[in-house]
Amino acid sequence: KAGVTQTPRYLIKTRGQQVTLSCSPISGHRSVSWYQQTPGQGLQFLFEYFSETQRNKGNFPGRFSGRQFSNSRSEMNVSTLELGDSALYLCASSFAGGVNNEQFFGPGTRLTVL
Amino acid sequence: GDSVTQMEGPVTLSEEAFLTINCTYTATGYPSLFWYVQYPGEGLQLLLKATKADDKGSNKGFEATYRKETTSFHLEKGSVQVSDSAVYFCALIGRRGADGLTFGKGTHLIIQP
Repeated sequence: KAGVTQTPRYLIKTRGQQVTLSCSPISGHRSVSWYQQTPGQGLQFLFEYFSETQRNKGNFPGRFSGRQFSNSRSEMNVSTLELGDSALYLCASSFAGGVNNEQFFGPGTRLTVL
Repeated sequence: GDSVTQMEGPVTLSEEAFLTINCTYTATGYPSLFWYVQYPGEGLQLLLKATKADDKGSNKGFEATYRKETTSFHLEKGSVQVSDSAVYFCALIGRRGADGLTFGKGTHLIIQP
């Protein structure tokens, strides 16, 4: 069974640009969550999508948004990039999300903002 | 809100040494607790979990016990190997699961031969 895949693996952007990251969950999984990992703040929850609807959201500004498609693939978008958005963005999929379903993480997309 | 505190390291041990990585948490209610491991260049892998007080999670020689009285979930291994070198994250998820996983800052473990 293929794992969670994320594309691209590396991105370099400049301040003010926007970026879209993609995540393909494990087949059969309907929940996709996104996390931001930085040296200073560690791992922080961005949002979770389930059946094409945003179900939960962390404490991030509106520049961070996402969506989920009918095949459960998810995209995350960051608009008006700032230097502080440089991070590793991790996607995690689970069968149904929530407390009792294990989250499986992808390898991440490393975003560098110059 | 919920929070997790763990030693950040790096923690350097010799092969076959005993390992303890401390983890304490603050949460309302009764969260589920996890240890994840991250190898260089990879995503997070679930190492073990415990969903209620006094539960013991175990996997690959690692163990951790959910201690509600001390709000702790310390990770232990009796004899570490060079291949255990990685970053270890303690995490929790609240009963509603509404805030996703809350992680500690991670502990960088280095095992020397």
